[in-house]
Amino acid sequence: QPVLTQSSSASASLGSSVKLTCTLSSGHSNNIIAWYQQQPGKAPRHLMKLEGSGDYDKGSGVPDRFSGSSSGADRYLTISNLQSEDEADYYCETWNTYTRVFGGGTKLTVL
Amino acid sequence: DVQLLESGGGLLQPGGSLGLSCAASGFTFRTHALTWVRQAPGKGLEWVSSIGVTGGATYYADSVKGRFTISRDNSKNTVFLQMNSLRAEDTAVYYCGKLKLSGDIDYWGQGTPVTVSS
Repeated sequence: QPVLTQSSSASASLGSSVKLTCTLSSGHSNNIIAWYQQQPGKAPRHLMKLEGSGDYDKGSGVPDRFSGSSSGADRYLTISNLQSEDEADYYCETWNTYTRVFGGGTKLTVL
Repeated sequence: DVQLLESGGGLLQPGGSLGLSCAASGFTFRTHALTWVRQAPGKGLEWVSSIGVTGGATYYADSVKGRFTISRDNSKNTVFLQMNSLRAEDTAVYYCGKLKLSGDIDYWGQGTPVTVSS
């Protein structure tokens, strides 16, 4: 079963960019993942599906400021031109036929 | 618009049983797999269970296997989660989710809270 590792917290200034990382455990570096955003008190929201190639498919209504990329076992979520509403928890997830696994989440603070 | 509306949460004692429902609309229900994900207070997301399009394929996290049962009624556009032998550690907000063909969860419900406490 894969393990997804995320930093517990990150911070960046309003209007700047931030790159969040999700690292897949050994043997699972080719896995497809998804990124989700959870604003305080709300349900999670689908941001994108991200492949090991770096190709990504964004969810409905996700702003252009959100993009994804990959390098080896690392999957990245980059948010450009940070807005106050981007302050949220961000989770990555991977899956196969039989199971699904979430990372521990990164709490993003917009300064 | 796609909507997922969970119901059935509540407060109950350890060892009790509870059934959750998730009513779906805005998409062709019978062609999509569905999933339940929970979030304990102040914690991250934890996958609970998934079900295939016909209901014939079901999958569970080890933490709930043998205690929880997922099912669906394609005539009523509803997915269910029957939870038995509940424990304090099952306390969480339970979300249902619609799976894309690619496997990611593209829509989430608003969640229903379950509290297990004596």
